[in-house]
Amino acid sequence: DAKTTQPTSMDCAEGRAANLPCNHSTISGNEYVYWYRQIHSQGPQYIIHGLKNNETNEMASLIITEDRKSSTLILPHATLRDTAVYYCIVIQGGSEKLVFGKGTKLTVNP
Amino acid sequence: EPEVTQTPSHQVTQMGQEVILRCVPISNHLYFYWYRQILGQKVEFLVSFYNNEISEKSEIFDDQFSVERPDGSNFTLKIRSTKLEDSAMYFCASRGTGEQYFGPGTRLTVT
Repeated sequence: DAKTTQPTSMDCAEGRAANLPCNHSTISGNEYVYWYRQIHSQGPQYIIHGLKNNETNEMASLIITEDRKSSTLILPHATLRDTAVYYCIVIQGGSEKLVFGKGTKLTVNP
Repeated sequence: EPEVTQTPSHQVTQMGQEVILRCVPISNHLYFYWYRQILGQKVEFLVSFYNNEISEKSEIFDDQFSVERPDGSNFTLKIRSTKLEDSAMYFCASRGTGEQYFGPGTRLTVT
């Protein structure tokens, strides 16, 4: 599975958009980009995933560059409850395991 | 919304004792997983299970660990003889055709 690089930490003001970047320059054609988050010590929570097209759901938007070497997770209106560690994970479709890195610790400030 | 549940939420055991951590996956899911997270460290994959067989396991998942789906709803992780270094949060996850959904975890403390 391709390696990902994320900033260690980011801050965002409540109500503003949070844009979390992820680099995955070695991604291959059949690998998906998944985003999970972990709030404190709770179980990781699925957010969104994509292959090459941009995706949007009720939680977030995922923007994948045309060359697929990087992506951005967008939380359009961050709230205090969005404070968490966000993980960008690249895996092959149908792969059995998620490989978690250190992720980005997002702090949403009032 | 269906969710993965885990029991107990916290288990304290003495070194050398056997523990069984229990999970109830989402009802129509067929793929099951265990992960663990030592305090302050990354979430680590332990094992995946499908069709009553282990499909993949990590180096962490040695002979002290075993998994079982004893009935149509439960999925268990057994640690035969716990060590201090087994102290961690243990997360169960399940998957249907798409993404994995995680339970809230069991905090295992080995003393």
